[in-house]
Amino acid sequence: GQQLNQSPQSMFIQEGEDVSMNCTSSSIFNTWLWYKQDPGEGPVLLIALYKAGELTSNGRLTAQFGITRKDSFLNISASIPSDVGIYFCAGQGGAQKLVFGQGTRLTINP
Amino acid sequence: SQTIHQWPATLVQPVGSPLSLECTVEGTSNPNLYWYRQAAGRGLQLLFYSVGIGQISSEVPQNLSASRPQDRQFILSSKKLLLSDSGFYLCAWSVLGLAGADTQYFGPGTRLTVL
Repeated sequence: GQQLNQSPQSMFIQEGEDVSMNCTSSSIFNTWLWYKQDPGEGPVLLIALYKAGELTSNGRLTAQFGITRKDSFLNISASIPSDVGIYFCAGQGGAQKLVFGQGTRLTINP
Repeated sequence: SQTIHQWPATLVQPVGSPLSLECTVEGTSNPNLYWYRQAAGRGLQLLFYSVGIGQISSEVPQNLSASRPQDRQFILSSKKLLLSDSGFYLCAWSVLGLAGADTQYFGPGTRLTVL
């Protein structure tokens, strides 16, 4: 079945630094989604990508749908304390169900 | 706009007791509905999904069951809870977009502790 590899598993950064995380898949995807989950809450959709090569921003967040359709990355610029949480990628190929990465836990030192 | 509700928010149950978690969606019609379980704050495991009233697909064998008695209501149940059923249960909804894109939106979750 379809599998996603999300990296890194965890990140420890200083406030103000930029962050980059990515996901790669074993097969071609038509949709890439990025979510953020705060402790004790449900994941919140940050960015949705539907076309290969698409680059989309949401405030300080930028995500891209890889041209090969097998990867996507999420960048966060100038991190702030409220960026702390777990970030999940999710991908979908054809009529398959959405597949989730294992998450990247972001910790920020003030 | 669409909203999704889950209740209860937290639940502590003894082993062997029954379970009923409820999820409702407002502001959309005929959504796809999903139940996920999340252990230890990492990774989402799809348990069940439904494309319509009375239509349930199970992803993993377990002692849980799901039902969809109404278009925008999804229920997760168990007759006898196990310790391993503890976790964070998330409900999600979607309406398939262009080319079948399945953009899912999550509820606030239910924290279940089985003692």
